[in-house]
Amino acid sequence: TQLLEQSPQFLSIQEGENLTVYCNSSSVFSSLQWYRQEPGEGPVLLVTVVTGGEVKKLKRLTFQFGDARKDSSLHITAAQPGDTGLYLCAGPDSGTYKYIFGTGTRLKVLA
Amino acid sequence: NAGVTQTPKFRILKIGQSMTLQCTQDMNHNYMYWYRQDPGMGLKLIYYSVGAGITDKGEVPNGYNVSRSTTEDFPLRLELAAPSQTSVYFCASVLGGDGNQPQHFGDGTRLSIL
Repeated sequence: TQLLEQSPQFLSIQEGENLTVYCNSSSVFSSLQWYRQEPGEGPVLLVTVVTGGEVKKLKRLTFQFGDARKDSSLHITAAQPGDTGLYLCAGPDSGTYKYIFGTGTRLKVLA
Repeated sequence: NAGVTQTPKFRILKIGQSMTLQCTQDMNHNYMYWYRQDPGMGLKLIYYSVGAGITDKGEVPNGYNVSRSTTEDFPLRLELAAPSQTSVYFCASVLGGDGNQPQHFGDGTRLSIL
């Protein structure tokens, strides 16, 4: 069974600080997705990374897919209170139409 | 542009009661999913469907049933509610099955079993 582990589980930082969230697996994934979930809402897709070594940028967010496609990271530069939320990574379960979700990283950015 | 719509948003049930959580999408997506999210946790797959008339179990299907009579609707049924089913339930839909398509989520149903 493929698993996705995220670290850290919780993160509380001051506005303006940088942070990195990790999503790791012992299995190879064909792609990985990152979602952000705000309180009372469903997750919303931020990005999908497909190619090993791929780097994608979304304003102050930088996403990287590991060369071996077993891990991914999300780096936020100069965090803002609006970045507060639950960050989830997810990947397709090989050979099925199911998705596996990571354990999540709950980020709080203090003004 | 409604996307994925879930009803009700909140519900309190007594142990042993039954209910159906509704999910409908207007994007003509073939693939639909039901997840539960326990406090502070990620998402666990309950059931999924790859098209009308086709459903399959996910990671935690016990105590739940689903049906998919149309492309748009994917209701989740709890037959005998138990306290362990207290959770937030999310329905999602996806256009394609290649794993690279974004999942579109509803806003969830918050269910408490007392």
